[in-house]
Amino acid sequence: EAQVTQNPRYLITVTGKKLTVTCSQNMNHEYMSWYRQDPGLGLRQIYYSMNVEVTDKGDVPEGYKVSRKEKRNFPLILESPSPNQTSLYFCASSAGDTTTEAFFGQGTRLTVV
Amino acid sequence: EDQVTQSPEALRLQEGESSSLNCSYTVSGLRGLFWYRQDPGKGPEFLFTLYSAGEEKEKERLKATLTKKESFLHITAPKPEDSATYLCAVQRGDYGQNFVFGPGTRLSVLP
Repeated sequence: EAQVTQNPRYLITVTGKKLTVTCSQNMNHEYMSWYRQDPGLGLRQIYYSMNVEVTDKGDVPEGYKVSRKEKRNFPLILESPSPNQTSLYFCASSAGDTTTEAFFGQGTRLTVV
Repeated sequence: EDQVTQSPEALRLQEGESSSLNCSYTVSGLRGLFWYRQDPGKGPEFLFTLYSAGEEKEKERLKATLTKKESFLHITAPKPEDSATYLCAVQRGDYGQNFVFGPGTRLSVLP
């Protein structure tokens, strides 16, 4: 089954404790992205990647890091999480520039206390 | 500043009562406009892509249209299973994967 898998689904952590949210896709897609979703603000793009070792900032990259060492994986790293990073996070992938239907993961609900 | 707005914020319909959702955008270098459906606790699910003004696409009870400044999602004779949040997104820039999403319209269809 074609899918984007995120882990964990739920995470509660403390301020300053580094964490990684994993994302993996099994569709051989070139493009992958991370979003955060907050009430009233909608989905906002954090980072995106057009291929292995190629990443770029979205609209809200501050406080986040990403890496794309393999085509299927695109982890999101919070080096020093803060309470304002409490949010619902989604990873997405798509095949390419001209076929840009995005497939989303099931989401990771992060709470930073 | 690139911006996508959606109206209404929430919409409650009786089963069979047709209506439209609006997505207005101001963005430089529009490459495409996307509609997604999001059910509670799940990731968005792709519905349509529109690329140029005048374009229309249909899927079951949904029809999406595009003008130079806005898009409409028309829902004909909705059913309770159409209840969801509908998201609009614009793709911008010289290459793909740079998106701006609207805040969504929360649709409830009552039986």
